[in-house]
Amino acid sequence: DAMVIQNPRYQVTQFGKPVTLSCSQTLNHNVMYWYQQKSSQAPKLLFHYYDKDFNNEADTPDNFQSRRPNTSFCFLDIRSPGLGDAAMYLCATSRGVDSSNQPQHFGDGTRLSIL
Amino acid sequence: DQQVKQNSPSLSVQEGRISILNCDYTNSMFDYFLWYKKYPAEGPTFLISISSIKDKNEDGRFTVFLNKSAKHLSLHIVPSQPGDSAVYFCAASAYKLIFGTGTRLQVFP
Repeated sequence: DAMVIQNPRYQVTQFGKPVTLSCSQTLNHNVMYWYQQKSSQAPKLLFHYYDKDFNNEADTPDNFQSRRPNTSFCFLDIRSPGLGDAAMYLCATSRGVDSSNQPQHFGDGTRLSIL
Repeated sequence: DQQVKQNSPSLSVQEGRISILNCDYTNSMFDYFLWYKKYPAEGPTFLISISSIKDKNEDGRFTVFLNKSAKHLSLHIVPSQPGDSAVYFCAASAYKLIFGTGTRLQVFP
């Protein structure tokens, strides 16, 4: 009954080789988020989509891009992964951006390793 | 600068006793606070929340307390059960969620 599905669960890529992580949702939520979480650190928001409107965090590196072709799917593209990009990437959704009555629903994450 | 801090990386509690997880924040603009629970190999799941206009919210065994003057909130779990063993993230909201680094709770028999 997974409502936010991330594929793959584990991804290994080579230094500098582009990689795409996938997220899909069955909740029909308007907002989709991508977080990066490194070991023993807090999840850090990279960007989010409100419908088709893309909102990038100021400190998200240009190396990270995102696409949302439709309501259900959102992709995270890392154009030239560096060793420092090895992390857990979490996708989340919510009905709106107001956290007061619309908590975010998370997928199980994709763990990215860089060789 | 870490706006949401969970200073205890881990906590160990006996089954049946109270678990108290703490969280401090620095930004007085935060208007909503949430706790998420995370099991290994799973994503965080929403547990309980509190608005900045309240000082307490209760849901079954889980109670969150907010002390705005101290910029501190805590999650109380009573009684603790082995199934509560997980990582607990505190998060604060002012348009976007800012997470703490998490506290690993272990409940032993």
